[in-house]
Amino acid sequence: DQQVKQNSPSLSVQEGRISILNCDYTNSMFDYFLWYKKYPAEGPTFLISISSIKDKNEDGRFTVFLNKSAKHLSLHIVPSQPGDSAVYFCAAGGLTDSWGKLQFGAGTQVVVTP
Amino acid sequence: NAGVTQTPKFQVLKTGQSMTLQCAQDMNHNSMYWYRQDPGMGLRLIYYSASEGTTDKGEVPNGYNVSRLNKREFSLRLESAAPSQTSVYFCATLLPGAYEQYFGPGTRLTVT
Repeated sequence: DQQVKQNSPSLSVQEGRISILNCDYTNSMFDYFLWYKKYPAEGPTFLISISSIKDKNEDGRFTVFLNKSAKHLSLHIVPSQPGDSAVYFCAAGGLTDSWGKLQFGAGTQVVVTP
Repeated sequence: NAGVTQTPKFQVLKTGQSMTLQCAQDMNHNSMYWYRQDPGMGLRLIYYSASEGTTDKGEVPNGYNVSRLNKREFSLRLESAAPSQTSVYFCATLLPGAYEQYFGPGTRLTVT
């Protein structure tokens, strides 16, 4: 049973606009959450993370929001650029489990159009 | 400084054949991980090694074995390949004291 879900398999956004990617989770024991970006034929690369004690973390154009009561997080990319076209994975881990063991969502394919 | 390297990049096996996927890192990280990625499934953890000399099962370990040869190397072995093991395999290491993992470029395996 998938504990981390990304219900939108794809997202198309115009260059310069905001991309919003969503992720839901079912395990209330998750303590930290991460977003990864993946280009074809490459490994995932780390984008941004957030601890469960925070509700927002920002790094340049990327902001992650966490709503623990709703078990929901989102990634905002502002402004979207053509190089942002990739698959984005949401992942979650728990401190009570072995450190570093992650559960991944199925991914959202983002296409940024000119 | 190559980060995480994986060999081979591509492999085609026949059902029942065996092979070992190699992973090496030059970042001096303790923890290493093997994942598989299938369409619509995201990445699923096969095995991990918290430190040299230790290995543990992840979410989908059946059909696989691992060896943590030393701090640098973590290999994944398929003893008798099955078509269900057709996938892209990624090795990763964990940045100490942090959440993020660093991934290798992947091995695309097809079992016919």
